[in-house]
Amino acid sequence: SAVISQKPSRDICQRGTSLTIQCQVDSQVTMMFWYRQQPGQSLTLIATANQGSEATYESGFVIDKFPISRPNLTFSTLTVSNMSPEDSSIYLCSVEGGVTYEQYFGPGTRLTVT
Amino acid sequence: RKEVEQDPGPFNVPEGATVAFNCTYSNSASQSFFWYRQDCRKEPKLLMSVYSSGNEDGRFTAQLNRASQYISLLIRDSKLSDSATYLCAVIKTGANNLFFGTGTRLTVIP
Repeated sequence: SAVISQKPSRDICQRGTSLTIQCQVDSQVTMMFWYRQQPGQSLTLIATANQGSEATYESGFVIDKFPISRPNLTFSTLTVSNMSPEDSSIYLCSVEGGVTYEQYFGPGTRLTVT
Repeated sequence: RKEVEQDPGPFNVPEGATVAFNCTYSNSASQSFFWYRQDCRKEPKLLMSVYSSGNEDGRFTAQLNRASQYISLLIRDSKLSDSATYLCAVIKTGANNLFFGTGTRLTVIP
């Protein structure tokens, strides 16, 4: 499976600010995704990061709040904008492994908004 | 109704025990099924894909029942190192993203 890294691994931010999270993969992948895991809960998909076009957002998530870039097949960023304490969560990127639809996750970014 | 439902547990079992987790899904058009393991403060790691015919990997057996729309994970001869949260996930036909259950917490006790 691909090796996936995320930066930063954790951050503490003030409300009203924005944070950009980076996801780097060691091989080219077609499908990249961004998930959120709120404390004590399961994972929820935020959006699919499409290379060369706008991201596809799930219901309840909007581009103004979570802008995503995907400049190439090995890299993506997720920005959490105008943060509030409710945005405190773990943000994870994932990639699809290939024909079997299996997904592999990065180590996550633990965000705390004060 | 949630896409995927799991019993959150916790399951506390002694070493050597056999434990089973079930997970139900609401969309009959779901096409792919997985079990993930998540350790505390870590990312989910793929444990097994679940195939229609069922599949086994050492002490772990996964099964799919399409008629009743559930998947199961059986762990035999539990080890202390099996303590983790087990998440089931499904992909709907025509989609690529995973829908996760809430996870089942397993603690194996010496």
